[in-house]
Amino acid sequence: GNSVTQMEGPVTLSEEAFLTINCTYTATGYPSLFWYVQYPGEGLQLLLKATKADDKGSNKGFEATYRKETTSFHLEKGSVQVSDSAVYFCALISNQAGTALIFGKGTTLSVSS
Amino acid sequence: DGGITQSPKYLFRKEGQNVTLSCEQNLNHDAMYWYRQDPGQGLRLIYYSQIVNDFQKGDIAEGYSVSREKKESFPLTVTSAQKNPTAFYLCASRDLDRGLYGYTFGSGTRLTVV
Repeated sequence: GNSVTQMEGPVTLSEEAFLTINCTYTATGYPSLFWYVQYPGEGLQLLLKATKADDKGSNKGFEATYRKETTSFHLEKGSVQVSDSAVYFCALISNQAGTALIFGKGTTLSVSS
Repeated sequence: DGGITQSPKYLFRKEGQNVTLSCEQNLNHDAMYWYRQDPGQGLRLIYYSQIVNDFQKGDIAEGYSVSREKKESFPLTVTSAQKNPTAFYLCASRDLDRGLYGYTFGSGTRLTVV
């Protein structure tokens, strides 16, 4: 079946450090891939997405490239801020009808000043 | 503004009682979903519905029930059969005409069994 594996946290960084959160997936067909962010006590917000191989999703300085050859969608940011502290979820949805978003377990990012 | 409303934000339940979590959307989305979030577990799908009066079990449906009598509403009942109901519950909806994306999430309900 379809699944998402992301690196376990927590990830602790200083402000302005470089961020990478690894995400790999297993899926039949050609899924769309997403990163969602969850701030404390809130629901999920879509951070970025990519719908086909080699697409790069980007938003708020975050980027992720859909790599079909390595089945990966790693999240990167060149310089993190304290306000980026949150839980980040990698997710996929299959192009098969009737399917729902499948999430990884989430990675907690903590950025200190 | 359109969106998804989950209520209440915090809910306390005594053991052995059923409780219903509300999810309402005014986005005219066809599909609605319930996820459960536990620390270190990510989000797991409980139930989903793509049209009125129809719904499917997700990965962890045991101990839960849903209804979809109206397009706007998808309430989740946590029954006394759910052995470990304390968790954060998230509702989402999706416009199926937008293809593989277009999810909108509510702000969640934190359920605590006391």
